[in-house]
Amino acid sequence: QQQVKQSPQSLIVQKGGISIINCAYENTAFDYFPWYQQFPGKGPALLIAIRPDVSEKKEGRFTISFNKSAKQFSLHIMDSQPGDSATYFCAATRRGRRALTFGSGTRLQVQP
Amino acid sequence: DAMVIQNPRYQVTQFGKPVTLSCSQTLNHNVMYWYQQKSSQAPKLLFHYYDKDFNNEADTPDNFQSRRPNTSFCFLDIRSPGLGDAAMYLCATSRDMYLETQYFGPGTRLLVL
Repeated sequence: QQQVKQSPQSLIVQKGGISIINCAYENTAFDYFPWYQQFPGKGPALLIAIRPDVSEKKEGRFTISFNKSAKQFSLHIMDSQPGDSATYFCAATRRGRRALTFGSGTRLQVQP
Repeated sequence: DAMVIQNPRYQVTQFGKPVTLSCSQTLNHNVMYWYQQKSSQAPKLLFHYYDKDFNNEADTPDNFQSRRPNTSFCFLDIRSPGLGDAAMYLCATSRDMYLETQYFGPGTRLLVL
């Protein structure tokens, strides 16, 4: 019940295209869903986060879509750029638990 | 203006030889975390401190210990490293509540020979 399943494992997108990464969870107690971006040799950094009281959150080219009934959420990267090439982790947590449960990660490569 | 600093960035140790990894933060955050990240895998939480209160994950091996002598510093001790402990070790901090952002350090890559 603590798992967060993430797909795809890797993704290749052309510059200017849309990158879509999906995550699913089972624990209905989860109520905070951040996405982290990790470049090689660096620690993860928070990219964008959402709570289930909204169905979508947009920050620049990055959008989280949230489907509470399906227990799924996804990251959309519009106008993908080579500089977006990184590993993306979805995560989830709940009130009373400080730790994050991470998905398995998606390695995104944006080709010029 | 590094906020979460980890030393060393690379550590080589021998099988069974104790090793200590260091983390410091300039954010004055209450919570400090240690994660283990193996190649192409998600970070796995080992334990965290909320102030001086230590919280161990149920599946963290006894071989891993931690110390937090003050707010700014936290150490990860591996008492008898095995080959399977070779990984990137990430330190992270957060201010307090569960909605708070976790700030990660750059990690220490541990190699066990």
